[in-house]
Amino acid sequence: QKEVEQDPGPLSVPEGAIVSLNCTYSNSAFQYFMWYRQYSRKGPELLMYTYSSGNKEDGRFTAQVDKSSKYISLFIRDSQPSDSATYLCAMSRYNTNAGKSTFGDGTTLTVKP
Amino acid sequence: DGGITQSPKYLFRKEGQNVTLSCEQNLNHDAMYWYRQDPGQGLRLIYYSQIVNDFQKGDIAEGYSVSREKKESFPLTVTSAQKNPTAFYLCASSLDTLGAGELFFGEGSRLTVL
Repeated sequence: QKEVEQDPGPLSVPEGAIVSLNCTYSNSAFQYFMWYRQYSRKGPELLMYTYSSGNKEDGRFTAQVDKSSKYISLFIRDSQPSDSATYLCAMSRYNTNAGKSTFGDGTTLTVKP
Repeated sequence: DGGITQSPKYLFRKEGQNVTLSCEQNLNHDAMYWYRQDPGQGLRLIYYSQIVNDFQKGDIAEGYSVSREKKESFPLTVTSAQKNPTAFYLCASSLDTLGAGELFFGEGSRLTVL
């Protein structure tokens, strides 16, 4: 069983929809949770970074962490065609060695105009 | 502009050949990483380096080699011993080992073995 499981997708939604992307994990030691966005044939870029449980909002994006359920989500409000990308969740035990985070397999999102 | 440059973007190799992928960063980051990404899969760590002249194996180091002679550079060699080398390779860096958890990625190199 993988340490991090991500909803596989693909996901296709109309423009303006609310999107929910989700990951579950098994390692209770994870404390730092990240969401990366990866456009086709490009490298990922960090979208959201959160520590421990709770919500964090940035514009149309909200990251939610529920450590008791070992579940994290990324919500996108008023989705736009430019949001079409693959979204990777990642998590780590420490705020060091960022590159040793454990990644989900990614969910590919398409937002149709 | 600061960033990470990977080259070449596309590379074709015959079986039995070694190839080297270049990764250069001008962000003054201490740590650098190499990942492999296969279709529908997340990132798997090949090698990482936290300081010049030192590097560590990641989860899938077999068939790969690296060097870190300069802070800015972290080339990856895919050797003929790598059984399934066709993949998308990503190089990344981070500020330092005690810093925030953000990784900065290059645009990737797509290797195809013919």
